[in-house]
Order: sequence, then structure tokens, then C-alpha cells
Amino acid sequence: QQQVKQSPQSLIVQKGGISIINCAYENTAFDYFPWYQQFPGKGPALLIAIRPDVSEKKEGRFTISFNKSAKQFSLHIMDSQPGDSATYFCAARNQQGGTSYGKLTFGQGTILTVHP
Amino acid sequence: AAGVIQSPRHLIKEKRETATLKCYPIPRHDTVYWYQQGPGQDPQFLISFYEKMQSDKGSIPDRFSAQQFSDYHSELNMSSLELGDSALYFCASSLVDSGANVLTFGAGSRLTVL
Repeated sequence: QQQVKQSPQSLIVQKGGISIINCAYENTAFDYFPWYQQFPGKGPALLIAIRPDVSEKKEGRFTISFNKSAKQFSLHIMDSQPGDSATYFCAARNQQGGTSYGKLTFGQGTILTVHP
Repeated sequence: AAGVIQSPRHLIKEKRETATLKCYPIPRHDTVYWYQQGPGQDPQFLISFYEKMQSDKGSIPDRFSAQQFSDYHSELNMSSLELGDSALYFCASSLVDSGANVLTFGAGSRLTVL
């Protein structure tokens, strides 16, 4: 059972366009939502993250929008560049401790291709 | 800045053989996580250690075991390898006690089982 559902599977955008990736979750115990960027043969790298007490967070060209009532969050990449071409994973974590100690549950990933 | 170091980067084994992957976390990080990523798949959580004690367990096969040593490095041991074990194995570390608890991933070890 996929606890974090991500869409689309793949996305093609022209340079300068906006890339939008969506995620939805079921577990209301999740309280930390990071986005990771992964290039081929490399490990996932943290891009941006949000907590559910905030509806939006922006860092440069990257923005996370969070809708707690709908249990959805999305990544917007403004002015997309060819160098942004990578696989993007949303993730969720129960940071309330117990025995979870911060393990991440990932979405299925989105392969983003930005054409020049 | 120091990152998470994984070795070996690539490993080729035959079916039924044994493999050991090593992970050296970022200095002073107190938690290590192991993830398995199959081709075109999302990373799946295997196991984690907090201060050298197993803290959480995911979908790790019984043929796999892991431990964290006194110097905080961790090893993932995989026995009776199967073709389906071919994957990228990532180690990540974090400082849980900092409150921020950001996971930093290593570059991964690619295991190929023939």
C-alpha cells in the first residue's frame, strides 16, 4: 500500500515553463514533508521541505504548496531549466518519535525533462 | 562539508553469494538509515539505527542483517542473494536529537546479482 501517492510519473516542460508535481498522503501522523531531487546514479538530495502548519514555502525557483485538509502537497518549479531535469520524489515522515526516528516514506517519483 | 560515504559503489555477485555494504555517516550524526531502490522505483526503507541500536525496521528480508558499530559506521549484510536483490542501496544519516532531523543520503551502492 503506497502511503504517499505522487503524480505525474513523468513530465516534459519547455525551458522557462512551470513544472508542477503533486503528492497526496493518507497518514495524518505525517508532519514533515520534504522533496528530494535525484540525478541518475546519485543519491536523493533534499530540495525543500515544509511542515503542515505552513501553507506555502518558497526557496528561489522552488515552491511547496500544502493543503492540510485535503492531505495534498505540491512542488512548483518556476522558470524551469534543463539542469532541473531529474527525478523528483516527495516524501513524508512521522517526526513524533516513538520508534519511527524519522524514517521517510517516499512517493513513486516523477521524471522531469526540461527541453531547451 | 563531509557527506555520507558508501562503499563499494558497485558490486557484482552471483546468486546465493553474500554481499556486505558499508556506510560512514556524517560526523556527529546519531541515526543511520538504509534504503533499497529498484530500477525505476522509489526508495524503500529497510532499517535504521539510533545511537548504535536498531530503531526501526521496514521491509527488510530475513536474509539481510545490519548493524551499527562503535564508530557509528554501519554495515548491511545480504546473504543467499537473489536476482531480485539487484538494486541501488542508499544509506542516509541524520541528527535526530537536533530536532531538524534532515536526512542526508549517500551516493549509493549498486548491487548487481547475476
